[in-house]
Amino acid sequence: KNEVEQSPQNLTAQEGEFITINCSYSVGISALHWLQQHPGGGIVSLFMLSSGKKKHGRLIATINIQEKHSSLHITASHPRDSAVYICAVPQGSQGNLIFGKGTKLSVKP
Amino acid sequence: DSGVTQTPKHLITATGQRVTLRCSPRSGDLSVYWYQQSLDQGLQFLIQYYNGEERAKGNILERFSAQQFPDLHSELNLSSLELGDSALYFCASSVALGQHYEQYFGPGTRLTVT
Repeated sequence: KNEVEQSPQNLTAQEGEFITINCSYSVGISALHWLQQHPGGGIVSLFMLSSGKKKHGRLIATINIQEKHSSLHITASHPRDSAVYICAVPQGSQGNLIFGKGTKLSVKP
Repeated sequence: DSGVTQTPKHLITATGQRVTLRCSPRSGDLSVYWYQQSLDQGLQFLIQYYNGEERAKGNILERFSAQQFPDLHSELNLSSLELGDSALYFCASSVALGQHYEQYFGPGTRLTVT
C-alpha cells in the first residue's frame, strides 16, 4: 500500500467549478506539502501546512492530522489551473519527501 | 522562479555513458534534495545533503552518486546509464533540515538514455 494516496487520479472540470482533491497518508507527520506540476514539467510548492487551513488566492488547503487527511480546494477554477497536483509528506526527520501519484486536473473553458 | 537552478535542462545520451547533473540551491539554503520522476515510479527521493554532508539516502542506485560542494551547489553523477534511467531529475533546496521547512524545486533536468 502506497503511504500517500490521492484521489481522484484524473479530474475534468468546467471553468468556474469548485474542485476538491484529497490526500490520505499512513505515516505520522508534522507537515504536509501540496505541489503543482505544469505540463512543462516544473514543480511549484503551493502549500506546506501542519494544521488547520491555509489560503492563497483561489486555493485553499486543509489538513486533519488526527485523521491523516488533507484536501486541496480550488474555487472558481480556470483553464490555467490545469496541471498535476501532488501531495507529499516527509518520510523522516531530515525532511525528505514521499509523494502521492498525483491528480491530473483539466479545466475546460 | 524558485531561485533553484539546474543544468542542463535536457540531456540525451547513450546507454553505458556517464553524466553529471548540477544544482544550485536558493541563496542561503543549506539543504539539497535530489528526486527522480519516471513514468512508472513517479517521484522518488534519491539523496539529501546538508551543508556538505550526506544526511539521508533513498532509492538511489549504486551507479549513482552525489556530492555537495563548499559553495553549496550539488552534483548528481549517473554512470553506466541504462534505458530505465530516463527520467526527470529534480533538485530541491530548503533553508535547514527537518519536516517543517518548505522545499523549493528547480526546473529539472530531463535525461533521455537511448
